[in-house]
Amino acid sequence: EAQVTQNPRYLITVTGKKLTVTCSQNMNHEYMSWYRQDPGLGLRQIYYSMNVEATDKGDVPEGYKVSRKEKRNFPLILESPSPNQTSLYFCASSSDSTNQPQHFGDGTRLSIL
Amino acid sequence: AQSVTQLDSQVPVFEEAPVELRCNYSSSVSVYLFWYVQYPNQGLQLLLKYLSGSTLVKGINGFEAEFNKSQTSFHLRKPSVHISDTAEYFCAVSARTGGFKTIFGAGTRLFVKA
Repeated sequence: EAQVTQNPRYLITVTGKKLTVTCSQNMNHEYMSWYRQDPGLGLRQIYYSMNVEATDKGDVPEGYKVSRKEKRNFPLILESPSPNQTSLYFCASSSDSTNQPQHFGDGTRLSIL
Repeated sequence: AQSVTQLDSQVPVFEEAPVELRCNYSSSVSVYLFWYVQYPNQGLQLLLKYLSGSTLVKGINGFEAEFNKSQTSFHLRKPSVHISDTAEYFCAVSARTGGFKTIFGAGTRLFVKA
């Protein structure tokens, strides 16, 4: 079954404590991206990756890092989380160069206290 | 740069009635257009997309959308909704060139009443 898997699904943590949200896809997709979803704002793209070792900033990259060492994995790293990063996060992947995400994970709800 | 405006934050409608969810976009370059649906506690699913060709695009679950270049709109329609269509719907746009960047609207919550 085609899947994008995110972990953890829920996390409550404190300001400044580094965390990583993992994302893995089993479809051999080249394109992967991270979004955050906030009420009234829709989804905003944080980072995206066109292939291994190829990443670029989206619209709201501040405070986040990503890496793409393997095709299937695209972790999102918050080096020093702050309360304004409390949000619902989605990872997505695509094989399609028409630039749209095809498959989404089920989301990770982060609360930064 | 692109932007997307979904004109209604909430749309209540009775079961079996028709519905239209409105989306306008702005862009200085040619774009692709998409609609996604998000059910509670789930990720987004692609409903339909406009890449080129016919301006009327049919998607899954009986939805369709019409691309209107002169009005820069991409409204989503369904002739008869079901309770199970209750969800949040997102319009999105991406430039035909310029990497894998997609801009989403703020979403429209469709609430279908019995």
